Amino acid sequence: SQQGEEDPQALSIQEGENATMNCSYKTSINNLQWYRQNSGRGLVHLILIRSNEREKHSGRLRVTLDTSKKSSSLLITASRAADTASYFCAGGSYIPTFGRGTSLIVHP
Amino acid sequence: GAGVSQSPRYKVAKRGQDVALRCDPISGHVSLFWYQQALGQGPEFLTYFQNEAQLDKSGLPSDRFFAERPEGSVSTLKIQRTQQEDSAVYLCASSPGLAGGLTKNIQYFGAGTRLSVL
Repeated sequence: SQQGEEDPQALSIQEGENATMNCSYKTSINNLQWYRQNSGRGLVHLILIRSNEREKHSGRLRVTLDTSKKSSSLLITASRAADTASYFCAGGSYIPTFGRGTSLIVHP
Repeated sequence: GAGVSQSPRYKVAKRGQDVALRCDPISGHVSLFWYQQALGQGPEFLTYFQNEAQLDKSGLPSDRFFAERPEGSVSTLKIQRTQQEDSAVYLCASSPGLAGGLTKNIQYFGAGTRLSVL
């Protein structure tokens, strides 16, 4: 079973626009992580937010966490064609459990 | 190497054949995970090692799946009598584990082994 559910399943935008992806999870977590996966490749860690944090920034990435709603969002600002990938949230204790992912396409 | 290495990258097996998938984690990483990823889905947890100890194998779908990490570094995932539903990408990830401080939970993934069972 998958811990997180990302929304939307697919997102198509133009270069320069912002992309927002949401994640809902089921059980209590110590932290929530976001990963990115390019086609045919492994996952790459983007950012980790702890359960006692509400917001975190890293470059063009902004992550929020609402533990009362068991949800998180990932915002990519000023998107680039190279951001085209699938994005996954993963929550859990010592074993991150992944959602189904959001497929992001950024058109040049 | 600098990252997690998996071999082979691609494996085609006939139904009923046994396969072995290898994972070389990042040197010094305590934790090692195996995941199964079906097309269009997220990675599904299979099993977890802390050093050589297999602490969780609750995700292994059947007793045809077996994983080991005898010396606490390289790990092998073995699938016996493969079936068509075993076709998927098998991902391995390692993380620093308990000694990793703030980064202990961050997983570093290999590129995966794509298994096709005919």
